[in-house]
Amino acid sequence: DGGITQSPKYLFRKEGQNVTLSCEQNLNHDAMYWYRQDPGQGLRLIYYSQIVNDFQKGDIAEGYSVSREKKESFPLTVTSAQKNPTAFYLCASSIKGFDAIGNTIYFGEGSWLTVV
Amino acid sequence: AQSVTQLDSHVSVSEGTPVLLRCNYSSSYSPSLFWYVQHPNKGLQLLLKYTSAATLVKGINGFEAEFKKSETSFHLTKPSAHMSDAAEYFCVVSESWNAGNMLTFGGGTRLMVKP
Repeated sequence: DGGITQSPKYLFRKEGQNVTLSCEQNLNHDAMYWYRQDPGQGLRLIYYSQIVNDFQKGDIAEGYSVSREKKESFPLTVTSAQKNPTAFYLCASSIKGFDAIGNTIYFGEGSWLTVV
Repeated sequence: AQSVTQLDSHVSVSEGTPVLLRCNYSSSYSPSLFWYVQHPNKGLQLLLKYTSAATLVKGINGFEAEFKKSETSFHLTKPSAHMSDAAEYFCVVSESWNAGNMLTFGGGTRLMVKP
């Protein structure tokens, strides 16, 4: 089945550790995105990529890093510089990037990151 | 700059009664508008979208929304609520601009359905 796969579903991080969240899509979408969702709040854009080997900062990129070496993969690293990383992280993809009007974005099932 | 306001953070209805989730937006250009649903610990699923075609948009699971430019609204409705409709709903606005077009999410409305 086509879709977006995020792993792990639940992840615990110790203070000072870097952790990486995986996102893989087999939809042949060009664009991929990472969003952060805090309880009771909407989504905020962390990073996005509209093409392989290129990515752009979103609204809250500080303390995060990404790579886009393959079209189907867009891993997110939460670094120790991110002071409040506990949140629900959603990966998404779309056929085209943000320059397409009415472009529909499809979401993965999300990953919970908790700092312990 | 674009923004979207979901007027109710929580809505509670009885099963079988109508659902109304309110969304107002502001946009400098002709926007595209979406409604997504999120069940607990799940990703977001697209319910419906408006992209300057018919102003009344029909989506999945019996939901529909009407784009009203004069009121800058895009309210989500369903004639009869089902228990499985209990979830968080997000209104999203997307507008085009010179360098691209970005999504802005509303704060979400939690729909509760009572038996």
